[in-house]
Amino acid sequence: QVHLMQSGAEVKKPGSSVKVSCEASGGTFSNYAINWVRQAPGQGLEWMGVITPIFGTANYAQNFQDRVTITADESRKTAYMDLSSLRYEDTAIYYCARAVRHCSGTTCQYFFDYWGQGTLVTVSS
Amino acid sequence: QAVVTQEPSLTVSPGGTVTLTCGSNTGTVTSGRYAYWFQQKPGQAPRTLIYDTNTRHSWTPARFSGALLGGKAALTIVDAQPEDEADYYCLLSYGGARIFGGGTKLTVL
Repeated sequence: QVHLMQSGAEVKKPGSSVKVSCEASGGTFSNYAINWVRQAPGQGLEWMGVITPIFGTANYAQNFQDRVTITADESRKTAYMDLSSLRYEDTAIYYCARAVRHCSGTTCQYFFDYWGQGTLVTVSS
Repeated sequence: QAVVTQEPSLTVSPGGTVTLTCGSNTGTVTSGRYAYWFQQKPGQAPRTLIYDTNTRHSWTPARFSGALLGGKAALTIVDAQPEDEADYYCLLSYGGARIFGGGTKLTVL
């Protein structure tokens, strides 16, 4: 049974940082990538970035390049999303989403499957 | 940065068929964009319905299908059910980056 358990809600002040965790159970962590997606109140989904633990590499969306750091601890089967220099408009639900590796011949891609329950981050003075 | 476009809203009658589309301002959506479709109901996390343009997950009802249509990715729902009322988001891949469309609010009425 695959499950992604995210850390609890946070309230942060403008200019501070927040770190959200996502613990995966079920399956082999090294076969996944973990994506981070956020959703501001009443708005659509916004992809923030992805980490592939087996390679230790992360890719970030252009909009977040300067402020987000995504890491993973394979021993804990946990990924982390750290967002700095928080602004009021960073108030959102932050989701992690697993992507599992599919290979065809010599080509491999990671495809989304399961999502975490979401973590509400509120930026307020 | 690319922009991914979806219809803001659509309505379908129960038992009817509806097609949602997903376009890119960079041009024709091809299989190399590995299009996804996600369903989100109020107060819930998104759920992945379709990946790699047309592959259903084990939990995706057979009435949902993905394809490339007229230069866009498309999600077709056949025999729409009341429980299909939700927001639907597509996602396209651009190299290492992923970009969501703005979402389609589907009403079943």
